[in-house]
Amino acid sequence: GAGVSQTPSNKVTEKGKYVELRCDPISGHTALYWYRQSLGQGPEFLIYFQGTGAADDSGLPNDRFFAVRPEGSVSTLKIQRTERGDSAVYLCASRVASGTYEQYFGPGTRLTVT
Amino acid sequence: GEDVEQSLFLSVREGDSSVINCTYTDSSSTYLYWYKQEPGAGLQLLTYIFSNMDMKQDQRLTVLLNKKDKHLSLRIADTQTGDSAIYFCAESPGGYNKLIFGAGTRLAVHP
Repeated sequence: GAGVSQTPSNKVTEKGKYVELRCDPISGHTALYWYRQSLGQGPEFLIYFQGTGAADDSGLPNDRFFAVRPEGSVSTLKIQRTERGDSAVYLCASRVASGTYEQYFGPGTRLTVT
Repeated sequence: GEDVEQSLFLSVREGDSSVINCTYTDSSSTYLYWYKQEPGAGLQLLTYIFSNMDMKQDQRLTVLLNKKDKHLSLRIADTQTGDSAIYFCAESPGGYNKLIFGAGTRLAVHP
């Protein structure tokens, strides 16, 4: 019954390292979205899952970014060879099903690459 | 292309009405949204409007849509200090998919 949860809430990593960010959507929500929000900006779309498959990954900035949702529930955003420009808040949102439009957002993971 | 623009800052006196404006570019957007973000908190969906509507009212919130000019506004009546936050306008090309957000309007409410 809880909202979208994301872990960790904060992540500090060194340039060049690999990170994984996790999203637990609202139970029963079939659609899941990842966004990235840089300081002073609005969220920027990264990828959208419908069930287990990525329906739209047009927002992933390059091949260092990858996301999975193997069982159609929890999703993991993976970033390889992190760069300082990857520092941002990564937001996850979920939506219940086709025919509804509301996306519900989690609190985000603040990623800092030093 | 897809782009959403908002003014960056608005200051109002407590009790007055606030009007936050937004322009968008994608005429295929089925729904248009207003989200609120408070410091340290996630994005909260405030309201949305279907593209075939001109106006939607929800308690203190009124959304106006001018589809011809691709202009959306959010009016908050009797603005309170608890309304201080960043307000994001968003469009949804195609309806179900990604949201395209503006940069946000920071609303400051002063006594």
